[in-house]
Amino acid sequence: DTAVSQTPKYLVTQMGNDKSIKCEQNLGHDTMYWYKQDSKKFLKIMFSYNNKELIINETVPNRFSPKSPDKAHLNLHINSLELGDSAVYFCASCVSGANVLTFGAGSRLTVL
Amino acid sequence: QQPVQSPQAVILREGEDAVINCSSSKALYSVHWYRQKHGEAPVFLMILLKGGEQKGHDKISASFNEKKQQSSLYLTASQLSYSGTYFCGTGDGGATNKLIFGTGTLLAVQP
Repeated sequence: DTAVSQTPKYLVTQMGNDKSIKCEQNLGHDTMYWYKQDSKKFLKIMFSYNNKELIINETVPNRFSPKSPDKAHLNLHINSLELGDSAVYFCASCVSGANVLTFGAGSRLTVL
Repeated sequence: QQPVQSPQAVILREGEDAVINCSSSKALYSVHWYRQKHGEAPVFLMILLKGGEQKGHDKISASFNEKKQQSSLYLTASQLSYSGTYFCGTGDGGATNKLIFGTGTLLAVQP
């Protein structure tokens, strides 16, 4: 199936821990994103990569570090997790220019 | 800055119509509309690229007023499957044309 797939779907962890979320797309897109959706359902852009190059880096704590090993993969590593990091993190991809996003199913992070 | 959508929430009976508005304080270069069903990912509905453009798909259509920096989504003869949260997204027209999503409108269609 052609899709944007994220793992894991659920993450429950303690404050102070480090966690990673992985994203892969097989749509042939060249641009990938991380969005954060908080409890109020606001969708906020965090990062974007185009062909492995970071092109968007919003005001996000430097505890968040994205990595794109190739244009089909985008990972998100979060250090020293805080309560406020609890959210659903969506990966998305598109062909650059059109910016019509295809989203992954989301990864729900709960920090206790 | 995040586009503002109105209303925040709307409840409809099947067959009724609804309008969702999206307003931006910045110039709009493109407007996207997405629908997110509960517990699922947002799904692309349509994109409007030019001021004055109107588009339709089935009984869902949208308009884009570039001068007023607004877009509206029209849902006609709503169906149960229309329920979800609707987001507008505005491209900033910059080099990356990043998509900034609006505040969202929760639509509930009841039998």
